[in-house]
Amino acid sequence: GAVVSQHPSWVICKSGTSVKIECRSLDFQATTMFWYRQFPKQSLMLMATSNEGSKATYEQGVEKDKFLINHASLTLSTLTVTSAHPEDSSFYICSARDRHSSGNTIYFGEGSWLTVV
Amino acid sequence: DAKTTQPPSMDCAEGRAANLPCNHSTISGNEYVYWYRQIHSQGPQYIIHGLKNNETNEMASLIITEDRKSSTLILPHATLRDTAVYYCIVIWPVSNTGKLIFGQGTTLQVKP
Repeated sequence: GAVVSQHPSWVICKSGTSVKIECRSLDFQATTMFWYRQFPKQSLMLMATSNEGSKATYEQGVEKDKFLINHASLTLSTLTVTSAHPEDSSFYICSARDRHSSGNTIYFGEGSWLTVV
Repeated sequence: DAKTTQPPSMDCAEGRAANLPCNHSTISGNEYVYWYRQIHSQGPQYIIHGLKNNETNEMASLIITEDRKSSTLILPHATLRDTAVYYCIVIWPVSNTGKLIFGQGTTLQVKP
């Protein structure tokens, strides 16, 4: 089946620095990708919709200047957490829809653990 | 997209069938039922989806009631590796761009 890959799987960064997470669709093109955040023992929370060639759409309460999203190609979206703080430590997950799959199935990446120290 | 209701947790003995229910009483005619699961510290994994007919694949079976207001995901022979949070989500895939809103899901604990 279709595969969505994230990199890095885990990252530790110092408070105040920025960190970039990549999301790639490996065998299909995705004009739209999605970024989620998940805190321990909680469900996934949608952060934003990444649109190829245009600005991302952010969910209410998500700071667009803090979580920069770039969707430069049909197979790559990046999430940059700027000026990271310990409260940004979380599990970040991306997803993309394979339009050519049965039922337009949505696939998720493996997730990226971010720890800000 | 229609709202879904799932029990917060369930237990199942290893080797037995796990039956996970989902209520979606406001489902519309074009909406599909999708099931995903999330094993600890991993991204969600697609399991199965259906519209109105029962579906089966290598992972599970999906039974949808005739009125489509509820469904049951069946893992025929649960293993310890099936311990996960299972999410039932209803969407209309044609119009949906891929945006999924997750509820709390059902935490399935498979016990030896």
